[in-house]
Amino acid sequence: AQSVAQPEDQVNVAEGNPLTVKCTYSVSGNPYLFWYVQYPNRGLQFLLKYITGDNLVKGSYGFEAEFNKSQTSFHLKKPSALVSDSALYFCAVRAQANTGTASKLTFGTGTRLQVTL
Amino acid sequence: DSGVTQTPKHLITATGQRVTLRCSPRSGDLSVYWYQQSLDQGLQFLIQYYNGEERAKGNILERFSAQQFPDLHSELNLSSLELGDSALYFCASSVDRAPTYPTDTQYFGPGTRLTVL
Repeated sequence: AQSVAQPEDQVNVAEGNPLTVKCTYSVSGNPYLFWYVQYPNRGLQFLLKYITGDNLVKGSYGFEAEFNKSQTSFHLKKPSALVSDSALYFCAVRAQANTGTASKLTFGTGTRLQVTL
Repeated sequence: DSGVTQTPKHLITATGQRVTLRCSPRSGDLSVYWYQQSLDQGLQFLIQYYNGEERAKGNILERFSAQQFPDLHSELNLSSLELGDSALYFCASSVDRAPTYPTDTQYFGPGTRLTVL
């Protein structure tokens, strides 16, 4: 079975400082990894994904994520946080097409990012 | 705006009732996914339809059913509602054409908040 762990319920960071939101995964075969952000009373917005290739993936709003196969991690990062980045962030994994579970995204429990002035 | 629309935004109903949630996917997307977001269960995959056919089932209760119509919009039917069915229900859509499936991004709608009293 595939799973995602987001070990931190909340991450607090000051505006202008770098931020990291952690994610580790477990899946059969090669993973397809995604980050989504959810603002209050809104749907999930896609930020970025890792399929293959370069381990550093760049996405929307200045976010990037680093894929580390040996540590089975896909941490979300941003060099300089903004107050407007405050939201709920979800990491998700999807399996390869031939594993029988390729359809669904399996989400982590989410990490609330709080950026303060 | 993801291009995925969901109606209604809010739904308040009583236990034992039946409701229908509607989703229109992005233009050109063949797959529709339904997810449930609740405080205790997090984000859970319910079911996927691809070009009118059911492709995958997740943690969907027997009281719940879905379908995808020829114009590709989808409906999620929830019956014999219980208090525990109160949640945010998301629809997502994705292109999902070979050979890029399952690496295609799922784009989420704004959700329908269901409250069962």
